[in-house]
Amino acid sequence: QVQLVESGGGVVQPGRSLRLSCGASGFTFSNYGMHWVRQAPGKGLEWLAVIWYDGINKYYADSVKGRFTISRDNSKNTVYLQMNNLRASDTAIYYCARVDGEGANNWLDPWGQGTLVTVSS
Amino acid sequence: DIQMTQSPSSLSASVGDRVTITCRASRSISTYLNWYQQKPGKAPNLLIYGASSLHSGVPSRFSGSGSGTHFTLTISSLQPEDFATYYCHQSYITPYTFGQGTKLEI
Repeated sequence: QVQLVESGGGVVQPGRSLRLSCGASGFTFSNYGMHWVRQAPGKGLEWLAVIWYDGINKYYADSVKGRFTISRDNSKNTVYLQMNNLRASDTAIYYCARVDGEGANNWLDPWGQGTLVTVSS
Repeated sequence: DIQMTQSPSSLSASVGDRVTITCRASRSISTYLNWYQQKPGKAPNLLIYGASSLHSGVPSRFSGSGSGTHFTLTISSLQPEDFATYYCHQSYITPYTFGQGTKLEI
């Protein structure tokens, strides 16, 4: 079955960096784009970034552009989120999700279980 | 960026009720609108894609409609497992954006 598993979360000090990973299984990873979405404690969903199947086209939310970088390794069926200069406001559960659909008619399905990032001194 | 605004932010209802949640986009997004359900402590799950297409395995009591800037999610007869938070999401253009969520409570 299709499965996404995030890892790499934890407690990190403000200003430091962290890299999240999302391992995929059950589908041909190299054929699909992948998203990162986060959810601060008690808050709603915030879309962060998407990388298309070939790893060339990437798009970001304004809130993380220049600090976060999405990448992928199709040989490892893994998508990454490199997060630099972390702030307390980056504290959240981070989810990866697969792009399904085509072109603008696309949606997030399925989602991983999430990994918690806490930015605190 | 396209802003997505859901209403209401929270809604109290009872089992068997018909409920409607509205999502408005700050500009036209055609039918590039999706709905997700999230239960406490869990990841979101896709309910509706393309404004009105029911995702596989989702009960038929869920339905979506709309185009342009105005969209609705309707649950025809609430079941106990439907009490959750619902989010709309536009995929028309990046940066993609979610609505702020609607919490459906008993």
